[in-house]
Amino acid sequence: DGGITQSPKYLFRKEGQNVTLSCEQNLNHDAMYWYRQDPGQGLRLIYYSQIVNDFQKGDIAEGYSVSREKKESFPLTVTSAQKNPTAFYLCASSIDPGNNSPLHFGNGTRLTVT
Amino acid sequence: GIQVEQSPPDLILQEGANSTLRCNFSDSVNNLQWFHQNPWGQLINLFYIPSGTKQNGRLSATTVATDRYSLLYISSSQTPDSGVYFCAVQGGGADGLTFGKGTHLIIQP
Repeated sequence: DGGITQSPKYLFRKEGQNVTLSCEQNLNHDAMYWYRQDPGQGLRLIYYSQIVNDFQKGDIAEGYSVSREKKESFPLTVTSAQKNPTAFYLCASSIDPGNNSPLHFGNGTRLTVT
Repeated sequence: GIQVEQSPPDLILQEGANSTLRCNFSDSVNNLQWFHQNPWGQLINLFYIPSGTKQNGRLSATTVATDRYSLLYISSSQTPDSGVYFCAVQGGGADGLTFGKGTHLIIQP
């Protein structure tokens, strides 16, 4: 079945360590996104990519980095510079990088940093 | 940036009841989507509806773009309908969706 796969589901790290969250899609979508969700809040955009080898900062990009070397993959690295990294991270994709297509989400990764 | 307000923030209903969730936004949009997040965190796209009305089973949505609001209707609620419903919009200059804080719906048997 086509879909978006995020791994792992749960991730625990010590403060000061970088950690990379995986996101893979087999939907042949051009655009991919990373969102962060905090308890009781809506989602906030971290980074997005409309095409391979190109990506843009979202509203809360500080302390995060991404790459888009393949169409199917959009990994997110949470660096030690991110002051409050504990959160629920959601990856999404859409067929069209413009404004005309629905957004589809993976099942998320819950990151806990202690 | 564009502001999104959802109401009510919380809603508790008995099975079988109908409900209306509202989404107000502060500027013109060319993209509006409704999502359901289940208790396990999974987000499902319900509607892509920048304008007009759509229906899918017991759910329907209407967006009145000129008045800057959208409504999500749930009829004959069932316990699996429980969760958080998010409205998300995209304005002309932005490249990603802006989410509201959601309506937390609890359907009691």
